[in-house]
Amino acid sequence: DADVTQTPRNRITKTGKRIMLECSQTKGHDRMYWYRQDPGLGLRLIYYSFDVKDINKGEISDGYSVSRQAQAKFSLSLESAIPNQTALYFCATSDGLAGPANEQFFGPGTRLTVL
Amino acid sequence: SQQGEEDPQALSIQEGENATMNCSYKTSINNLQWYRQNSGRGLVHLILIRSNEREKHSGRLRVTLDTSKKSSSLLITASRAADTASYFCATDGKGRRALTFGSGTRLQVQP
Repeated sequence: DADVTQTPRNRITKTGKRIMLECSQTKGHDRMYWYRQDPGLGLRLIYYSFDVKDINKGEISDGYSVSRQAQAKFSLSLESAIPNQTALYFCATSDGLAGPANEQFFGPGTRLTVL
Repeated sequence: SQQGEEDPQALSIQEGENATMNCSYKTSINNLQWYRQNSGRGLVHLILIRSNEREKHSGRLRVTLDTSKKSSSLLITASRAADTASYFCATDGKGRRALTFGSGTRLQVQP
């Protein structure tokens, strides 16, 4: 079984709908991250969490919110989806032993289309 | 804006040739990592180089780091068709709590 899983893998929705993307991990890592990837722009950090009570905004948090329900679960919500949130979304994890330098482990991604 | 910028944006080579990708960054770093992404999939960590290191090897990969020029290069020797992917650098800067990824180099290795 994959160490970092994301659901759903694909989602098509309409403008204004609320969407939740879920991420679960079995690696026992404290740190979890949400990124979005747009063609030609690489990955941009949306939110990150270093433990259940430590949640931080990333580079592009506007229009998104997150919930860290447990060490193993980190959800990303789009309260009112808009077309420019169409992108590939990745969850990642890392352990906390050596700061941000630690290797990150990525989920398979969720392809979200907002019509 | 992105902390790391890779160049070239795209690279096409023949199998057996070497591929070199470069990454430049703007602010001081503690470490720099390289990741690989097969089309539409999650990124996979390749190698990490610390700011006090100048060169590091892992199999067919060689990474160099020049902190005076704020740049790094990734060399893949004897490339294979299976090396076709996008490659990203990611930096861990002083005072930053998360990695910042560059925009990537798309490598195509022709069989």
